[in-house]
Amino acid sequence: DARVTQTPRHKVTEMGQEVTMRCQPILGHNTVFWYRQTMMQGLELLAYFRNRAPLDDSGMPKDRFSAEMPDATLATLKIQPSEPRDSAVYFCASGLLVKTSGKLLGANVLTFGAGSRLTVL
Amino acid sequence: AQSVTQLDSQVPVFEEAPVELRCNYSSSVSVYLFWYVQYPNQGLQLLLKYLSGSTLVKGINGFEAEFNKSQTSFHLRKPSVHISDTAEYFCAVSASAGGTSYGKLTFGQGTILTVHP
Repeated sequence: DARVTQTPRHKVTEMGQEVTMRCQPILGHNTVFWYRQTMMQGLELLAYFRNRAPLDDSGMPKDRFSAEMPDATLATLKIQPSEPRDSAVYFCASGLLVKTSGKLLGANVLTFGAGSRLTVL
Repeated sequence: AQSVTQLDSQVPVFEEAPVELRCNYSSSVSVYLFWYVQYPNQGLQLLLKYLSGSTLVKGINGFEAEFNKSQTSFHLRKPSVHISDTAEYFCAVSASAGGTSYGKLTFGQGTILTVHP
């Protein structure tokens, strides 16, 4: 089965340190999402990429978070500097939107990675 | 923009009993609807989806959901639950046409289903 691979699976760091989480989407998928999950807030959308272009990062704290897709096989989420309130599980998900006659069609069925559990002390 | 409300944060039920997890959505355009399941310490997995056609959709593990456009609901049901169905369930919505947000999924807050022996 094709899968979304996230690294690291667990990360413990101290406040103020830089944290980088990586995601390898399923080969051929053209959409990538970053979600953050906490007990208090549930599942929050941080960033949405389509064909490597960032389309929505309105849920992401801009002063410390950044998300990029340097190429089609890698998405990164960086936090600098990290704070204790960033402790959460970060999920990456990828999907495929089909283009027909220049139009995007179909439903975006997402495959999720196993998540990166971040603890900031 | 779309939004999703899952009406119950927790649903306890006994094994072999029926269950319904409720989901309502809001959207100004036509939508696709999804249910995902998350087992402890795992990512989310697709349970079922509604794209078009029959309003009753069947998914994995004996779950089904019914799309009701007039009530903007997409409730998830199972006639007889097992201990192994204990998990968190998420309803999600995405617009079915156009724009930069096309393909973006908005999730509800989740419903924790606990099946007791």
